[in-house]
Amino acid sequence: EAGVAQSPRYKIIEKRQSVAFWCNPISGHATLYWYQQILGQGPKLLIQFQNNGVVDDSQLPKDRFSAERLKGVDSTLKIQPAKLEDSAVYLCASSLGGRAGEQYFGPGTRLTVT
Amino acid sequence: DAKTTQPPSMDCAEGRAANLPCNHSTISGNEYVYWYRQIHSQGPQYIIHGLKNNETNEMASLIITEDRKSSTLILPHATLRDTAVYYCIVRVAGYGNKLVFGAGTILRVKS
Repeated sequence: EAGVAQSPRYKIIEKRQSVAFWCNPISGHATLYWYQQILGQGPKLLIQFQNNGVVDDSQLPKDRFSAERLKGVDSTLKIQPAKLEDSAVYLCASSLGGRAGEQYFGPGTRLTVT
Repeated sequence: DAKTTQPPSMDCAEGRAANLPCNHSTISGNEYVYWYRQIHSQGPQYIIHGLKNNETNEMASLIITEDRKSSTLILPHATLRDTAVYYCIVRVAGYGNKLVFGAGTILRVKS
C-alpha cells in the first residue's frame, strides 16, 4: 500500500514569510498527526485530527500555526509569519482507528527559515 | 514529557544481536511500551509494542520485565541498515493519547 505522502520535501524561506505543507495519509486512516522535529530532538506532536475534527492541538502555537483537514483526508499545515526557531522537519503521520499507537510517518518536510 | 530513560548511544557489530534497554520505572498498569526507530532523513518507523507479555514480530523482540519497570528491544541479527535512533515510549491505549518522543538511543551497527 502507498505510504504517507508529504510535499514539499524541502523549503527555504525568510523570516516573516508564510509557508504551507501538505500531507496525504494512508487510505482509510482516520487519524492524522503533524509533528515538529528540531535537529537533535525527538518529534513533538503539534496537532492530531480524528477525521475532520481536532483531538489535540495543545502544543500548536496558534498565533502563527494553523492546520486543517478538509473532508477527512489530506491536510495542510501553515506557518504565518515564520520565525527562525521554526526551522525544523515537519512530519505527518496517520493511523487506523483503534490503533493510534501504531503510526505511519511520511518522509517529512525540512524547513529552513533564514 | 517522556517517561522513559534510554542510553544516548550504543554500538553493535554487524550480525550480532542488538539489545537496547529502556527504563520506565513509573509506568502505570494501563500504559503500553512502544518502540519506534528513525533512520537518517526518514520519518520514524513503528517497530513493536507490548503491555506485559514478551512480543515478537518480523523486525524485533520486546522483552518486558515482570515488574514492567524496564524493557529491552532485541534486533536478533543487526545489519548496517539498522543504524538509527531508537525511541522507547510509554503510552496509554486510546486514540486521544499521544506518543511522546524522548531523545532515544543512537544505535550504530558496525562492520
